[in-house]
Amino acid sequence: KAGVTQTPRYLIKTRGQQVTLSCSPISGHRSVSWYQQTPGQGLQFLFEYFSETQRNKGNFPGRFSGRQFSNSRSEMNVSTLELGDSALYLCASSLAAVDYEQYFGPGTRLTVT
Amino acid sequence: SQQGEEDPQALSIQEGENATMNCSYKTSINNLQWYRQNSGRGLVHLILIRSNEREKHSGRLRVTLDTSKKSSSLLITASRAADTASYFCATAYNNNDMRFGAGTRLTVKP
Repeated sequence: KAGVTQTPRYLIKTRGQQVTLSCSPISGHRSVSWYQQTPGQGLQFLFEYFSETQRNKGNFPGRFSGRQFSNSRSEMNVSTLELGDSALYLCASSLAAVDYEQYFGPGTRLTVT
Repeated sequence: SQQGEEDPQALSIQEGENATMNCSYKTSINNLQWYRQNSGRGLVHLILIRSNEREKHSGRLRVTLDTSKKSSSLLITASRAADTASYFCATAYNNNDMRFGAGTRLTVKP
């Protein structure tokens, strides 16, 4: 089985721009979660999607949004980028819920200048 | 905010020694999971222990869970240089919001 894939792997953006990151889960997995990882704040939960619906959301501003398609692929979008959005963005998929075993992608490293 | 807190923050041992990491959490849980992360890459799931389990083994890994103290420990026996990584515990807060601790950075010297 192919693992979780994320594209792009690296991205450099300027303050004020927006960015879209993509995640393809493991085949058969319906839950997709997104996390932000920074040296200062560690791993923080952004949101979780299941069957095209956002089921859970972490404590992030509305600039962070996402969606899930009928094939379970997911995208997250960050609008009006700030320097503090520089981070490793990780996507994880699981069979049904966040408290199931999660399989992580390699991440997208976003740098905002 | 983080649900779990790992202790110690960093641990350095020699190859062949055992490594023990601890995790404390704040609320009641269905299960607790341990993950490993190598140098800025994605996380790898190591082991899941349910709230009604007290101990679980997987290869050289041994995890214990004490729900009365809201704590868990991960023991890696006979460590290898390849075990060098950051280790995180994770719990589902309110069954929905996955929270990770700050992690323990383990260095195994050859």
